[in-house]
Amino acid sequence: NAGVTQTPKFQVLKTGQSMTLQCAQDMNHEYMSWYRQDPGMGLRLIHYSVGAGITDQGEVPNGYNVSRSTTEDFPLRLLSAAPSQTSVYFCASHRETGELFFGEGSRLTVL
Amino acid sequence: AQSVTQLDSHVSVSEGTPVLLRCNYSSSYSPSLFWYVQHPNKGLQLLLKYTSAATLVKGINGFEAEFKKSETSFHLTKPSAHMSDAAEYFCVVSDNDYKLSFGAGTTVTVRA
Repeated sequence: NAGVTQTPKFQVLKTGQSMTLQCAQDMNHEYMSWYRQDPGMGLRLIHYSVGAGITDQGEVPNGYNVSRSTTEDFPLRLLSAAPSQTSVYFCASHRETGELFFGEGSRLTVL
Repeated sequence: AQSVTQLDSHVSVSEGTPVLLRCNYSSSYSPSLFWYVQHPNKGLQLLLKYTSAATLVKGINGFEAEFKKSETSFHLTKPSAHMSDAAEYFCVVSDNDYKLSFGAGTTVTVRA
């Protein structure tokens, strides 16, 4: 059972570059979310999806795009990377009222 | 609107002594409450959750938490700390099924 798989685990970008963080889950969960984790701030919700074709903004959506074309995949796109987007990113999935299952994180550095 | 305040950013205990991690929440509804643990360079793992059943919730690894509506608290305890409990702990509140709010986290250090 793979659970939630995130790639890449580490990435270094230059300011202005774009990239996509990949997230895939094999548990057939309806809900998927992207969070960023910064020291002393816990996890903050970037975007979430309640099912294929449905996405919405979370607490800190600016500079990020998402899409949900399938139940399994929920990629996060950085359109033009900024140093403020240096963070650890976590993807999570869950069923209604259920436990969140997290990936192991993607550590992004923007120079 | 929902929010969570973890009252201690860092807790240090000796191995074998009790652990108390404090969490207060704000919610407009009857919330679901969770505690997650994160070991270094790992993802988050669920310790326990409260979803309007018993107010004393037992989780994994000997942890438990008590939901006190009158105090809007959901403190996490463990009677006897183990070295493997050294980690960061997050209290989480949810008013609905898909938007969760995380506390800032409490780092637990366990002294031998």
